Amino acid sequence: DAKTTQPPSMDCAEGRAANLPCNHSTISGNEYVYWYRQIHSQGPQYIIHGLKNNETNEMASLIITEDRKSSTLILPHATLRDTAVYYCIVRVLPGGGADGLTFGKGTHLIIQP
Amino acid sequence: GAVVSQHPSRVICKSGTSVKIECRSLDFQATTMFWYRQFPKQSLMLMATSNEGSKATYEQGVEKDKFLINHASLTLSTLTVTSAHPEDSSFYICSARDYREEKLFFGSGTQLSVL
Repeated sequence: DAKTTQPPSMDCAEGRAANLPCNHSTISGNEYVYWYRQIHSQGPQYIIHGLKNNETNEMASLIITEDRKSSTLILPHATLRDTAVYYCIVRVLPGGGADGLTFGKGTHLIIQP
Repeated sequence: GAVVSQHPSRVICKSGTSVKIECRSLDFQATTMFWYRQFPKQSLMLMATSNEGSKATYEQGVEKDKFLINHASLTLSTLTVTSAHPEDSSFYICSARDYREEKLFFGSGTQLSVL
């Protein structure tokens, strides 16, 4: 699987958009970009995934650059409950294939009141 | 979305005892489930892959005799920590793949504390 690079931590003001970057410069053409988040002492929660087109759902938007070497997760109106560690994961097959997801260190997003 | 139920959420046990953790997929069948371990301030580490009706596949460095995995049905996988010791204290998380959707779902985790 392609490696990902994320900033270790970020702050964002409540009510503002939180933009979390992820670099995956060695991504292959058939690898998807997945985002999960983990709130303290809970299991990870799926947020969104995409291959090359931008995606949006009720939680967030995913913007993937044209060369697919980086992506940005956007939480449009961050709330205090969005404080969590956000993981950007790149996988060959949707759903993780036969193997479990490999988690890096993620970005600790702290929403400030 | 699909729901994965994990039980218990917290367990405290004495050193030398065994602890069983259950992971259930509530509204879908999961032929494959995964078990992770997470130490404080660290990321999740995959321990093993549990396949229904067959033996689990363990990651390098994970003792299969210590962490017994049983996946006897399409909705239930169990992890038994045998002869637990304080160094086994950790947050254990299961996940299951819903083949109807292109993602994995995770349980809420079990905090194991071995005294």
